[in-house]
Amino acid sequence: NAGVMQNPRHLVRRRGQEARLRCSPMKGHSHVYWYRQLPEEGLKFMVYLQKENIIDESGMPKERFSAEFPKEGPSILRIQQVVRGDSAAYFCASSPREWADTQYFGPGTRLTVL
Amino acid sequence: EDQVTQSPEALRLQEGESSSLNCSYTVSGLRGLFWYRQDPGKGPEFLFTLYSAGEEKEKERLKATLTKKESFLHITAPKPEDSATYLCATAQKETSGSRLTFGEGTQLTVNP
Repeated sequence: NAGVMQNPRHLVRRRGQEARLRCSPMKGHSHVYWYRQLPEEGLKFMVYLQKENIIDESGMPKERFSAEFPKEGPSILRIQQVVRGDSAAYFCASSPREWADTQYFGPGTRLTVL
Repeated sequence: EDQVTQSPEALRLQEGESSSLNCSYTVSGLRGLFWYRQDPGKGPEFLFTLYSAGEEKEKERLKATLTKKESFLHITAPKPEDSATYLCATAQKETSGSRLTFGEGTQLTVNP
């Protein structure tokens, strides 16, 4: 009865490199949310996806960030040409339908940009 | 735009000393108000969802209540293992899915 899984748990990148963060939702969940937690700040919504569709990306920076949730496999959050300000904890959450009593969060990926 | 404000930012209690955490919210069309607990280096862990003013939910030493403008998380006779950051979040009817707007959290420390 695995929960939401994220990998890697820790990721170090140099400025200008690409970061790929993966999220496997709970079994039976087809709705995925990505949130970012900057140091000393609260969690901020980035993007909401269903299988093969981006539903709401209003919280995601327009440049360098993209997300996908293919028919098969995990959801991917991709950050191109990372900068130091991208250093943060990135959390994925999943739910079984559009409106659910709760979202279940993964353990997060901590991205450090050198 | 949704706003969620939590107070205090940090709270230190002695074991057994009951207290309350506050979450004030401004949202048009509240769909639900959520409480999560977050331990250092981990993801948020779900505690409660409240839907309408007057609703209350309990779990062990925790009790959450909701009014039209605020929610409170009451902690009765806390233990050191209750030390964590407590997060409040809202979901709005007009937005897609269950996207959450979080407050910045209250960091609770319970000393033995």
